[in-house]
Amino acid sequence: GESVGLHLPTLSVQEGDNSIINCAYSNSASDYFIWYKQESGKGPQFIIDIRSNMDKRQGQRVTVLLNKTVKHLSLQIAATQPGDSAVYFCAERGMDSSYKLIFGSGTRLLVRP
Amino acid sequence: SQTIHQWPATLVQPVGSPLSLECTVEGTSNPNLYWYRQAAGRGLQLLFYSVGIGQISSEVPQNLSASRPQDRQFILSSKKLLLSDSGFYLCAWSTGGSAFFGQGTRLTVV
Repeated sequence: GESVGLHLPTLSVQEGDNSIINCAYSNSASDYFIWYKQESGKGPQFIIDIRSNMDKRQGQRVTVLLNKTVKHLSLQIAATQPGDSAVYFCAERGMDSSYKLIFGSGTRLLVRP
Repeated sequence: SQTIHQWPATLVQPVGSPLSLECTVEGTSNPNLYWYRQAAGRGLQLLFYSVGIGQISSEVPQNLSASRPQDRQFILSSKKLLLSDSGFYLCAWSTGGSAFFGQGTRLTVV
């Protein structure tokens, strides 16, 4: 079936550097993508989303890029801070009315002081 | 604003015992509701979703069931827990945009 996967299970960056977390998806019919941040013992927290008719969307310190040609999604975090340390998930959604999300396995981001 | 509540936060249950986890949403009407399970260090697996009262769709065969007795209430149940039912259970809601998650229930079956 369709799946969403990630290239790197763990990413370690220096505080202040930019972070890039990548994700590959397999369902070309997906029309909506979301990045979540999950801290230990907590539920996933919405970070940013993007629809399939866009290729870039920016938030506060975060940018999501969507490349539909190669079915690739990335999350860029500018000036990474210790509070950014968490597990990050990408999720994709199809076009049916269930709005159900399919999640990847996650990338752990470690920020070195 | 919308809020979602899950309880309990943690639960330790013996094998063979029943289970009931409850999730309620406030501040929205007719949401789609979801139950996910997360194994340690893994991603989220969708277990059930509901698009309306009494409507339940199961994504994976398992020892669990779900019910939606009211518009903003979603319940996850089991008659007899297995060791493999241990995990972090997350409830979520959506009305077409992003899905928003509760804080989860850590279930340990012993």
